[in-house]
Amino acid sequence: QVQLVQSGAEVKKPGASVRVSCKASGYTFISYTIHWVRQAPGQGPEWMGWINAGNVNTKYSQKFQGRLTFTRDTSASTAYMDLRRLTSEDTAVYYCARDSRAAAAYWGQGTLVTVSS
Amino acid sequence: SYVLTQPPSVSVAPGQTARITCGGNNFRGNSVHWYQQKPGQAPVLVVYVDTDRPSGIPERFSGSKSGNTATLTISRVEAGDEADYYCQVWDSSSEQYVFGTGTQVTVL
Repeated sequence: QVQLVQSGAEVKKPGASVRVSCKASGYTFISYTIHWVRQAPGQGPEWMGWINAGNVNTKYSQKFQGRLTFTRDTSASTAYMDLRRLTSEDTAVYYCARDSRAAAAYWGQGTLVTVSS
Repeated sequence: SYVLTQPPSVSVAPGQTARITCGGNNFRGNSVHWYQQKPGQAPVLVVYVDTDRPSGIPERFSGSKSGNTATLTISRVEAGDEADYYCQVWDSSSEQYVFGTGTQVTVL
């Protein structure tokens, strides 16, 4: 069955960077796009962008332009999200999700990133 | 930017029917998907491509779309259906997911 397993919670200071990983299993990794979505406390989901795991094309929300990078390692079936210059407003649960027919059909368990001095 | 509008809350008695609406600009011809999210959990896809149900989702969950409104219907509501629900479309012009504002369903 399709599974996405994310890395553990992180606590970062303002100005730092964070990397969240998303290990996929149960399907052919390079055949699907991975989206990244975050959810601040008490808020709805916020789309951040996507990476095509096959051709490495990416798309980022303009909100994060210049601070956000998606990569992937096909040998490890793992996608990565790097977010730089963190502020307290980046405190959120970060999710990876596998696309299917333009929907987020499968989700990781989420990674809590806390930004605090 | 593209906005999907949902009612903030819906209350329903057990056994009754809950209807959650999602308003968009004719959805720009794109399909609508629905997610259920319980506290502390990742969202779960309950309806995709307007009306289809993923395997494992009860038949009590159904979707429809007409013009500028999509609707998620939960029949014979149970206490376990209490959750936040979000609609979502793929905006092909901007190549991004757009999520609705979310609806909190309370089972009385």
